[in-house]
Amino acid sequence: QKEVEQNSGPLSVPEGAIASLNCTYSDRGSQSFFWYRQYSGKSPELIMFIYSNGDKEDGRFTAQLNKASQYVSLLIRDSQPSDSATYLCAVDSNYQLIWGAGTKLIIKP
Amino acid sequence: EAQVTQNPRYLITVTGKKLTVTCSQNMNHEYMSWYRQDPGLGLRQIYYSMNVEVTDKGDVPEGYKVSRKEKRNFPLILESPSPNQTSLYFCASSLSGQLYNEQFFGPGTRLTVL
Repeated sequence: QKEVEQNSGPLSVPEGAIASLNCTYSDRGSQSFFWYRQYSGKSPELIMFIYSNGDKEDGRFTAQLNKASQYVSLLIRDSQPSDSATYLCAVDSNYQLIWGAGTKLIIKP
Repeated sequence: EAQVTQNPRYLITVTGKKLTVTCSQNMNHEYMSWYRQDPGLGLRQIYYSMNVEVTDKGDVPEGYKVSRKEKRNFPLILESPSPNQTSLYFCASSLSGQLYNEQFFGPGTRLTVL
């Protein structure tokens, strides 16, 4: 069974600090990696995707991928209270997306 | 407005009473999928469809049926619901079955089976 693991949290971060969210996956053949954000009671929405080893930056968000370690992370710089949500990691495996259970992030004003 | 719609948004039913949750997208997407989300378990795929008349089982298909007669619609059918199907259900669509395409989610359907 292919797996995607995330720390469930909650992860509490002061406003303005960097939030670091981590995800590990089991399928070495995975090629596509996604971070979705889900506010309480709402549906998931895509934040970033990454395919290549290294860093990918988009505004305050940076996704980092290390395929050798089977590890993908999301950094949120200058965290804002509006970033408080659950962050879901998703990884492709055999034409399906396998989802982690999500990390709950709380940004403290 | 480009969107995925689901109906109903909330449903309370009893064991064994057949129900259908509708899903419709207006983006001409080929790929559609149904997920259930349970606390601590994340999103688990029930069924997916790469295109009209093509459906495949996901990770947790037992107790569910789907059909894809039209490109825009992908209903989820519970022939004989049971309490373990109480969950939050999401329909999603993407441009194609290539997994680098963003998936767009519907607002969710919260189902309670008594």
